[in-house]
Amino acid sequence: KQEVTQIPAALSVPEGENLVLNCSFTDSAIYNLQWFRQDPGKGLTSLLLIQSSQREQTSGRLNASLDKSSGRSTLYIAASQPGDSATYLCAVIKGNTPLVFGKGTRLSVIA
Amino acid sequence: NAGVTQTPKFQVLKTGQSMTLQCAQDMNHEYMSWYRQDPGMGLRLIHYSVGAGITDQGEVPNGYNVSRSTTEDFPLRLLSAAPSQTSVYFCASSTYAGNEQYFGPGTRLTVT
Repeated sequence: KQEVTQIPAALSVPEGENLVLNCSFTDSAIYNLQWFRQDPGKGLTSLLLIQSSQREQTSGRLNASLDKSSGRSTLYIAASQPGDSATYLCAVIKGNTPLVFGKGTRLSVIA
Repeated sequence: NAGVTQTPKFQVLKTGQSMTLQCAQDMNHEYMSWYRQDPGMGLRLIHYSVGAGITDQGEVPNGYNVSRSTTEDFPLRLLSAAPSQTSVYFCASSTYAGNEQYFGPGTRLTVT
């Protein structure tokens, strides 16, 4: 059974700092990996989708990498801002089966 | 495009009552799913559908019913609400199971 772990569970950084969020998964035979952002009381917003044939994807200040062989993905946020404060979730997909989510990293960026 | 819409936003039920949570998407997505989100438990899959007329159970299906008569709609029915079903419910859709998933804004359900 696929398990997804996100470390740390919570992170607090000063504004302007570059930071890395980690996601690990137990079954490396995944199809895609998706990073989401969730603001308090809101739904999930898709940030980046990395397909299994890709090693990274970039969107603005966000860069996500994928290393299937080691079962790891990282989400790099450059020059963090208070507006980046949210919970970040990663989820993996294997074949035609539904997403398996990690429990998320709660990020606070302090002005 | 409205994307994925869910109604209602908030609902309070008494134990034993039934209700239907609505989910609709206007992106012509074949794949739709329902999750519940609870503190400390993360997001757990309730039911999913790979196309109209086809549904399957997820991790926590007990107490919930689904049907998929059209591509656009995927309602979730609570047959006899229990306090353990107090949660936030999210609907998601995508072109197929392995592609980028889009989530609705959620329904916050309280069962007293």
